[in-house]
Amino acid sequence: AIRMTQSPSSFSASTGDRVTITCRASQGISSYLAWYQQKPGKAPKLLIYAASTLQSGVPSRFSGSGSGTDFTLTISCLQSEDFATYYCQQYYSYSWTFGQGTKVEIK
Amino acid sequence: QVQLVESGGGVVQPGGSLRLSCAASGFTFSSYGMHWVRQAPGKGLEWVAFIRYDGSNKYYADSVKGRFTISRDNSKNTLYLQMNSLRAEDTAVYYCAKVRGTLRARDAFDIWGQGTMVTVSS
Repeated sequence: AIRMTQSPSSFSASTGDRVTITCRASQGISSYLAWYQQKPGKAPKLLIYAASTLQSGVPSRFSGSGSGTDFTLTISCLQSEDFATYYCQQYYSYSWTFGQGTKVEIK
Repeated sequence: QVQLVESGGGVVQPGGSLRLSCAASGFTFSSYGMHWVRQAPGKGLEWVAFIRYDGSNKYYADSVKGRFTISRDNSKNTLYLQMNSLRAEDTAVYYCAKVRGTLRARDAFDIWGQGTMVTVSS
């Protein structure tokens, strides 16, 4: 199975900060990558698919980039509602896998 | 609106069985592949199983292969997960999730249910 590794696993940031989360695939996955946001006790929410396409209704402060094995999720100006855990996911293979998650906490 | 509602979770003894259901509404269920994803307490997301829009192909995580069976009834707009030979490590919240694109398999998961808790304990 393709292994997805996110970094960092967690970090603290302040409202208004620009933050970047990285995701690395153990083999090339083209642009078959999605990013999800999950808040405690809630289901994950799709933010970005095809590595860089913003899902309908998601604020434009979220952006994604990358292809092949290295990907990034950027939040341009962190808002209070963005404190959550973020997961990358590959859907290149028929054994879908998620990264371990990155928790964004309030500094 | 587009909605997925899971049911069927509960407490079961090791070695027991449970069947989860996921009722879909607000979209043409028969045109979309569907997944089950689980999340153990305090842990990350783990993909469990996928079924194509017409039920023609099914895929499973190695951790559940041979014990879990995914199925669907397009006439009832319902997805199922039959779980047999349950183990303590199967304890998790189980989510059903819809594939974003029509008739596609390799696509993101755009709609998720609220989840149903399965606890395997004696």
